[in-house]
Amino acid sequence: KAGVTQTPRYLIKTRGQQVTLSCSPISGHRSVSWYQQTPGQGLQFLFEYFSETQRNKGNFPGRFSGRQFSNSRSEMNVSTLELGDSALYLCASSLAGSQNEQFFGPGTRLTVL
Amino acid sequence: SQQGEEDPQALSIQEGENATMNCSYKTSINNLQWYRQNSGRGLVHLILIRSNEREKHSGRLRVTLDTSKKSSSLLITASRAADTASYFCATDADEGKLIFGQGTELSVKP
Repeated sequence: KAGVTQTPRYLIKTRGQQVTLSCSPISGHRSVSWYQQTPGQGLQFLFEYFSETQRNKGNFPGRFSGRQFSNSRSEMNVSTLELGDSALYLCASSLAGSQNEQFFGPGTRLTVL
Repeated sequence: SQQGEEDPQALSIQEGENATMNCSYKTSINNLQWYRQNSGRGLVHLILIRSNEREKHSGRLRVTLDTSKKSSSLLITASRAADTASYFCATDADEGKLIFGQGTELSVKP
């Protein structure tokens, strides 16, 4: 099976812009979770989608949003970018949910200037 | 705040030696997982141990779980240079969310 893919791999934006990141899970996986990784805060849970519904959300402002499509592909959007949003954004898929073994994509490295 | 805290933050050993990393957490869990991350890439799942299990093995990996002390340890035996990576524990304490620790950076020198 193909692994989890994320696009784009690298992205440079300026403050105030918005960005959309994409994640394609492993075929058959219905759960997609998103994480933000920074040197200071480590890995932080953003949200989880299961069968097109947001099942859980982390402690991030409303500028961070996501969605999942009927084919389980997921997108996350960050509006009004801030310098502090510079991070590695990781997507992970699993069969049953984020509390089970997750398969991670390579991540999208976002730099906000 | 992070649920899990790894100890040590960094560990440097020679090839062939064993590496032990510890993880402590704060609240009750259903399971605890260990992941490996190579230099800013995606994470790779290593092992999942359930709260009713005390020890689990996978190849050169041995994980223990002590729910009374709210701690877990990951032992890598006969380490190799390719084991150089960051290792994270993750718990499901916050229902539906996987909470990661800050990680242990392991360096294995040839």
